[in-house]
Amino acid sequence: SSELTQDPAVSVALGQTVRITCQGDSLRSFYASWYQQKPGQAPVLVIYGKSNRPSGIPDRFSGSRSGNTTSLTITGAQAEDEGDYYCNSRDSSGDDVVFGGGTKLTVL
Amino acid sequence: QVQLVQSGSELKKPGASVKVSCKASGYTFTTYTMNWVRQAPGQGLEWMGWINTNTGNPTYAQGFTGRFVFSLDTSVSTAYLQIDSLKAEDTAVYYCARVGTAVAGGDYWGQGTLVTVSS
Repeated sequence: SSELTQDPAVSVALGQTVRITCQGDSLRSFYASWYQQKPGQAPVLVIYGKSNRPSGIPDRFSGSRSGNTTSLTITGAQAEDEGDYYCNSRDSSGDDVVFGGGTKLTVL
Repeated sequence: QVQLVQSGSELKKPGASVKVSCKASGYTFTTYTMNWVRQAPGQGLEWMGWINTNTGNPTYAQGFTGRFVFSLDTSVSTAYLQIDSLKAEDTAVYYCARVGTAVAGGDYWGQGTLVTVSS
């Protein structure tokens, strides 16, 4: 079982703001990374560290952390943002890497 | 530009072995650790472990010891995942991913290799 917990599914109306959350004790000590995965494709890094975006990732994606919860916010969701989102960080020991179970985002 | 190119899909019988390759380009291979990640059909991402490309030292996650072997050929900037004694439940897409600075899961990913185990 994953040490990082995500809601299985979230939906958002086109153009609205959505927050996808990830909970875990290790998040008090380590920043999370967020990945977007579309069907049949490899995951793509969208947020890492405090709230850093790799080159090419739109600025509507942002990250935040509060206590044991890290969040990915999409401000003004677009149809192309549909997909599965995974959080990722170290585990509680700091030795291993762990992924959340994933959240399926639907843009209505 | 950084690229990780993996070998093609494999169809294997139970009990056989498979070796998946991951060829890196666009950066100094031995500077970044390489992750291996499994994704079973319809399931999430599962970290299998990683290999230090400078020392060759592998670290295996729980559940991936014994039949799984990470290796390297630094002369061709390639990481390998070998799975022995294949079982039906090993059917999955396997990804390599470069461990980036502050990105334990990986900043660049290969395209994935589908391994199907079926009699």
